[in-house]
Amino acid sequence: GNSVTQMEGPVTLSEEAFLTINCTYTATGYPSLFWYVQYPGEGLQLLLKATKADDKGSNKGFEATYRKETTSFHLEKGSVQVSDSAVYFCALSVFGGGADGLTFGKGTHLIIQP
Amino acid sequence: ETGVTQTPRHLVMGMTNKKSLKCEQHLGHNAMYWYKQSAKKPLELMFVYNFKEQTENNSVPSRFSPECPNSSHLFLHLHTLQPEDSALYLCASSQDSGRSDEQYFGPGTRLTVT
Repeated sequence: GNSVTQMEGPVTLSEEAFLTINCTYTATGYPSLFWYVQYPGEGLQLLLKATKADDKGSNKGFEATYRKETTSFHLEKGSVQVSDSAVYFCALSVFGGGADGLTFGKGTHLIIQP
Repeated sequence: ETGVTQTPRHLVMGMTNKKSLKCEQHLGHNAMYWYKQSAKKPLELMFVYNFKEQTENNSVPSRFSPECPNSSHLFLHLHTLQPEDSALYLCASSQDSGRSDEQYFGPGTRLTVT
């Protein structure tokens, strides 16, 4: 089946620190990969995505590269801000994989301190 | 604003009550989804509708009953719930559930079963 594993946290960093949130996956087919972010009291928002190997998704200073050889899609940001505090979810979707919908990791709670 | 709205935002109900959650999407999508988000657990896909037809029921108890009258509206009818059903219920939509597209989420309904 499909599954996503990510560090759960909480991850606590100081403002302007470098961020890495690890994400690895297993999939029955060729997945598309996503990072979603959930701010307090809100639903999930798509942060970035990549649909094939070696693609790099980027948005709001965040980046993630689709690594097929290591089945990973780690999220990075060079300098975090207090406003980045949220829960981050790695997810995958497999075209024609026999199961509709996204498969999510458990989420990583990120706390940025001033 | 993601183009997906959910009402109510908060709901408290007793175990003998009957209530309904509503979701509406203004994106022209053909697929809609219900997810359950509980503390310390990954998001759980509950139901998928594609072109108004249910394509997936992820072993959800019968006390949850979905309804999709058209591609823009999705309901989740609730009856005789249990306290462990307390969670955030998220609705999402995408262009087509058979493709590996990103999904757009509503803000969720926070349900408390007493």
